[in-house]
Amino acid sequence: NAGVMQNPRHLVRRRGQEARLRCSPMKGHSHVYWYRQLPEEGLKFMVYLQKENIIDESGMPKERFSAEFPKEGPSILRIQQVVRGDSAAYFCASSLLLGRTGHEQYFGPGTRLTVT
Amino acid sequence: AQSVTQLDSQVPVFEEAPVELRCNYSSSVSVYLFWYVQYPNQGLQLLLKYLSGSTLVKGINGFEAEFNKSQTSFHLRKPSVHISDTAEYFCAVSEGGSQGNLIFGKGTKLSVKP
Repeated sequence: NAGVMQNPRHLVRRRGQEARLRCSPMKGHSHVYWYRQLPEEGLKFMVYLQKENIIDESGMPKERFSAEFPKEGPSILRIQQVVRGDSAAYFCASSLLLGRTGHEQYFGPGTRLTVT
Repeated sequence: AQSVTQLDSQVPVFEEAPVELRCNYSSSVSVYLFWYVQYPNQGLQLLLKYLSGSTLVKGINGFEAEFNKSQTSFHLRKPSVHISDTAEYFCAVSEGGSQGNLIFGKGTKLSVKP
């Protein structure tokens, strides 16, 4: 059973370009969370999605960032017109069910975004 | 507001010595508590979790943690560390009844020396 997969693992973008980060949850998991880790910081929650629905985006910057989790295919975190401050590691996590055991999240290896 | 504090940003320790990594949280409701480990350039791996029941929780790699509700703490311990335990450790909390998103501390870098 494959774990959470993220690609690319490393992404370099110039200022003003778009970044697309992909996350495939564990098999059978329908809940996806995105977190951002800035240098020397812990992970910060960004967005929580279920298939075709954004449940909680309270941690998302209000501009340039968007996320989706379509019925088919991976979840996508999209950053438009990237700036240097977007450089960070972006982690995706998935869980099986909401409820007590659903709080256990399994993390992918992350995508390290560098904006030059 | 819910928050997690890891008091020590770095903990150096010699091999085979005991270690305790401290974690305190603030929340007015029931919580679920987690410790994750992150090896360099990798994702997070769950070490252990507290959902309910016994306050002493045992995890992988010989780690354990104790939930103390009165002190709002969830300290991680290991009686004898190995070189391979060198990594960054994150404490995280999720509120009962929430959407499940985790609130993380800033992490503690454990460095085990021979």
